[in-house]
Amino acid sequence: AQTVTQSQPEMSVQEAETVTLSCTYDTSESDYYLFWYKQPPSRQMILVIRQEAYKQQNATENRFSVNFQKAAKSFSLKISDSQLGDAAMYFCAYRRGDMRFGAGTRLTVKP
Amino acid sequence: GAVVSQHPSRVICKSGTSVKIECRSLDFQATTMFWYRQFPKQSLMLMATSNEGSKATYEQGVEKDKFLINHASLTLSTLTVTSAHPEDSSFYICSAIDRNTGELFFGEGSRLTVL
Repeated sequence: AQTVTQSQPEMSVQEAETVTLSCTYDTSESDYYLFWYKQPPSRQMILVIRQEAYKQQNATENRFSVNFQKAAKSFSLKISDSQLGDAAMYFCAYRRGDMRFGAGTRLTVKP
Repeated sequence: GAVVSQHPSRVICKSGTSVKIECRSLDFQATTMFWYRQFPKQSLMLMATSNEGSKATYEQGVEKDKFLINHASLTLSTLTVTSAHPEDSSFYICSAIDRNTGELFFGEGSRLTVL
């Protein structure tokens, strides 16, 4: 079974600084997708970034980028120039068919 | 972008009653939908996979007779919590896969409170 591990229950970053959220996963598959979702207090799941496993190039979306290490089964999220609105729960997710989530990391942004 | 709508967004019911939550894909067809449960300060846990026109597939530990799932059309899946108890109080989130693109979209979630 696929498992997703987020080892940081909470992280804090100063506004305008950079923070990296960690995620590792376990799978025997070679073709899959990885995601980072943001969940604000409204509980709506907001897609931050996605990565196809077959692509070697790390995905980027504006201030958000990932470090995808397929051999190490690692998928970290880097948030640059952190903003107050980035504060939320962040979930790493693995998808091959259905989608499985890590335990989440609560990000606090300090002004 | 694609929209998945859940209804109701909030529901309060008495213990022992049944509650139905709907998940609709508004601008795409979804042969597959997923139901998740999220307890406070926890992650989303997959409960079941809903397939249009066939029986749902339940995750280990999820009672299929308690959580009835029906996926009667390509745009609608329903989750019925039967004989609800206070421990069933949770946030229920559905997601749907666009049959054309394969992309997955989430609903806004439904908060169930059982008194």
